[in-house]
Amino acid sequence: QKEVEQDPGPLSVPEGAIVSLNCTYSNSAFQYFMWYRQYSRKGPELLMYTYSSGNKEDGRFTAQVDKSSKYISLFIRDSQPSDSATYLCAMSANNYGQNFVFGPGTRLSVLP
Amino acid sequence: GAGVSQSPSNKVTEKGKDVELRCDPISGHTALYWYRQSLGQGLEFLIYFQGNSAPDKSGLPSDRFSAERTGGSVSTLTIQRTQQEDSAVYLCASSFRADHLGMDIQYFGAGTRLSVL
Repeated sequence: QKEVEQDPGPLSVPEGAIVSLNCTYSNSAFQYFMWYRQYSRKGPELLMYTYSSGNKEDGRFTAQVDKSSKYISLFIRDSQPSDSATYLCAMSANNYGQNFVFGPGTRLSVLP
Repeated sequence: GAGVSQSPSNKVTEKGKDVELRCDPISGHTALYWYRQSLGQGLEFLIYFQGNSAPDKSGLPSDRFSAERTGGSVSTLTIQRTQQEDSAVYLCASSFRADHLGMDIQYFGAGTRLSVL
């Protein structure tokens, strides 16, 4: 079993839809959780981060962590074609970059 | 430029040849990372440099892989005697420590797409 699992998609939704992207993990020591967005032929860019359990909102994006279920989610409201990208989750037990464990990413297409 | 720069953007090589991939981090970032991204796989950590400390090489998959960072800035990842399974996108990132967040913030380059024929 991989440490971090993520449905690779592709996930296609119509413009304006609410998108739910999810990751599951096996290491209960993970406390730092991040979401990255990666456009085609580009490097990942940090979108959101959370520490421990709970929700965090930033504009149209909400990150949610449920440590009891070892499950994290990223919600995108009012999705736009510009949101079309691959979304990678990442997590670590400490907050040092060399220990981040990344999921394989979910490819999202938002259709106009 | 303001971002992490990687070159070449694409590299096609023959099995058995050596390749060198270059990374120019963001000025002032003391930490530098190399990752490998294969289709359907997460980013695979390869190596980490922090300032003048000895690098963390724990992610290098074999002794054919090596990396160096000269003068605390530019880094080169070298793959000797390339194999077809080395075909992947090689990503470089640099980071700074965001004290107000208590975490490292990584900035990635666009990667080098390596194809071994």
